[in-house]
Amino acid sequence: DAKTTQPNSMESNEEEPVHLPCNHSTISGTDYIHWYRQLPSQGPEYVIHGLTSNVNNRMASLAIAEDRKSSTLILHRATLRDAAVYYCILINAGGTSYGKLTFGQGTILTVHP
Amino acid sequence: KAGVTQTPRYLIKTRGQQVTLSCSPISGHRSVSWYQQTPGQGLQFLFEYFSETQRNKGNFPGRFSGRQFSNSRSEMNVSTLELGDSALYLCASSRSQGALNNEQFFGPGTRLTVL
Repeated sequence: DAKTTQPNSMESNEEEPVHLPCNHSTISGTDYIHWYRQLPSQGPEYVIHGLTSNVNNRMASLAIAEDRKSSTLILHRATLRDAAVYYCILINAGGTSYGKLTFGQGTILTVHP
Repeated sequence: KAGVTQTPRYLIKTRGQQVTLSCSPISGHRSVSWYQQTPGQGLQFLFEYFSETQRNKGNFPGRFSGRQFSNSRSEMNVSTLELGDSALYLCASSRSQGALNNEQFFGPGTRLTVL
């Protein structure tokens, strides 16, 4: 299965945009890119997912590079509630990862007031 | 609508005992997945059930088992508990099978401590 690489930690100030990068240089054409986050003392929470095109929802935007070897989760205005561990996960339709989320170490996002 | 519920929230057992954890998915969701979270190994997939059948399985020993009922509720069982089984056990539900193009909703977890 393709792997993802994320920075261990990032910091941001409240109300500023945050760009969380994810590298997945061995991504295959059928890998979906998912982002989940886990707030302290809670279960993970779905954020967004995409395949090839950029995606927007009420929580965030997902920018996918043209070659799909990297992607960026964008939080447009960080709030204190966005402080969490963010996981970038690849899921393949035909591979062993189908049907399950394989979590890496993720990026710990700290938001300063 | 109600989210994913897990019972009990906290559990203390001793080595050698067995334990059963319960998960009630969101109404209308037919898939339930289980994950184990520990400080050392992070979040690891245990198994997924869809329509009462196990559809996918992670790399855990046979002491870890599960089942799903006709109402989509799921239980997870761990037999012959070991100290290393102490963890947060998370359940996630989704409308259809798998996580490919499908949002998974996680419950708050059951904190299991093995003494």
